Amino acid sequence: NAGVTQTPKFRVLKTGQSMTLLCAQDMNHEYMYWYRQDPGMGLRLIHYSVGEGTTAKGEVPDGYNVSRLKKQNFLLGLESAAPSQTSVYFCASSLLMTGGNSPLHFGNGTRLTVT
Amino acid sequence: SQELEQSPQSLIVQEGKNLTINCTSSKTLYGLYWYKQKYGEGLIFLMMLQKGGEEKSHEKITAKLDEKKQQSSLHITASQPSHAGIYLCGAKQGGSEKLVFGKGTKLTVNP
Repeated sequence: NAGVTQTPKFRVLKTGQSMTLLCAQDMNHEYMYWYRQDPGMGLRLIHYSVGEGTTAKGEVPDGYNVSRLKKQNFLLGLESAAPSQTSVYFCASSLLMTGGNSPLHFGNGTRLTVT
Repeated sequence: SQELEQSPQSLIVQEGKNLTINCTSSKTLYGLYWYKQKYGEGLIFLMMLQKGGEEKSHEKITAKLDEKKQQSSLHITASQPSHAGIYLCGAKQGGSEKLVFGKGTKLTVNP
């Protein structure tokens, strides 16, 4: 049982280049999230999805796009990378629970550097 | 929007000492999560609290949610080097599935 898997683990981009980060979960979770983590800023929500085919904006969505074509996958795209997008990106997923809460399960992160 | 403030920002303790980390919310908490992160790794779920006054323990870590549901504390008894890392609290914004996090508390435990 792999849980939440992020690819790639590391990436270096030049300003203006594009890339897609892939998140895959094998727990049949409804909810998926993309966060970025920066020193002194903590974890900030970029986009999230409450089910296949749905996406919603988080706190810092500008410069990113997402897609959830399949329930198990959540893709994060950077169309034109900027140095301000240098960060560690975390994907997470959680189970849908009616009337309650369930914890988020996190991947190990993708370290992205934009030069 | 809801904000979570953690204190202290960093903490250095001697092995064997007890310590407490606090998480204070600007709004009522509808589910409070505690996570631990080691450098360069993902977040590991520790505990989830939902009801005012609730208290949960796992090994030497105890978390509480106060009655008014606006503050949570994480207490570690007899700390060990394995407890070192960054502790983050997270909470759902009321009425949505967005989970927001505090900025974390960095814990160092010296042997």
